[in-house]
Amino acid sequence: QKEVEQNSGPLSVPEGAIASLNCTYSDRGSQSFFWYRQYSGKSPELIMSIYSNGDKEDGRFTAQLNKASQYVSLLIRDSQPSDSATYLCAVNFNKFYFGSGTKLNVKP
Amino acid sequence: GAVVSQHPSWVICKSGTSVKIECRSLDFQATTMFWYRQFPKQSLMLMATSNEGSKATYEQGVEKDKFLINHASLTLSTLTVTSAHPEDSSFYICSARSGGATGELFFGEGSRLTVL
Repeated sequence: QKEVEQNSGPLSVPEGAIASLNCTYSDRGSQSFFWYRQYSGKSPELIMSIYSNGDKEDGRFTAQLNKASQYVSLLIRDSQPSDSATYLCAVNFNKFYFGSGTKLNVKP
Repeated sequence: GAVVSQHPSWVICKSGTSVKIECRSLDFQATTMFWYRQFPKQSLMLMATSNEGSKATYEQGVEKDKFLINHASLTLSTLTVTSAHPEDSSFYICSARSGGATGELFFGEGSRLTVL
């Protein structure tokens, strides 16, 4: 049973649009939640962390957390071709558990 | 964010040899580091948790005698792939957590191992 689930995609959006990435997790004891971006052949880089219910905004990125629904999302506004990558959702309950990632394609 | 450095970035070795990969936290102390492996087009798989001054904790199915982990200081963990075989070829990535049990995880650059 997977602890963290993501739609593998690919998710294709036109440049300038909003990309919406979703993630669900199984353990209600999870304390912290993260979104990472991974370009092909590279290691993941941290985009956002979120610890409490609600929205957290950082530039073009907004993370949303709903602990009751065990749901985390990432919105990317004004998507750029350089945003094309695989986005990994991570949940921390003692260890970090990663989803399988959603591949995002932003078309010029 | 915090900086984690990993070396070497890529290595090619012959079957049967051993390869050591180093992971350093450059601007913070990490009592715990994590080693992941990633095959092409697959997600990160946690191999083991490296604990400073004590034995590593391995995930189910990971051979501790094949993947030796040493965490001798608060800024350095090493992974040694012993008697490497072609099926060990993969992308190995270390990470360290900054800021306590709920802190953020930062990754090294990764090491791509190819075993001939």
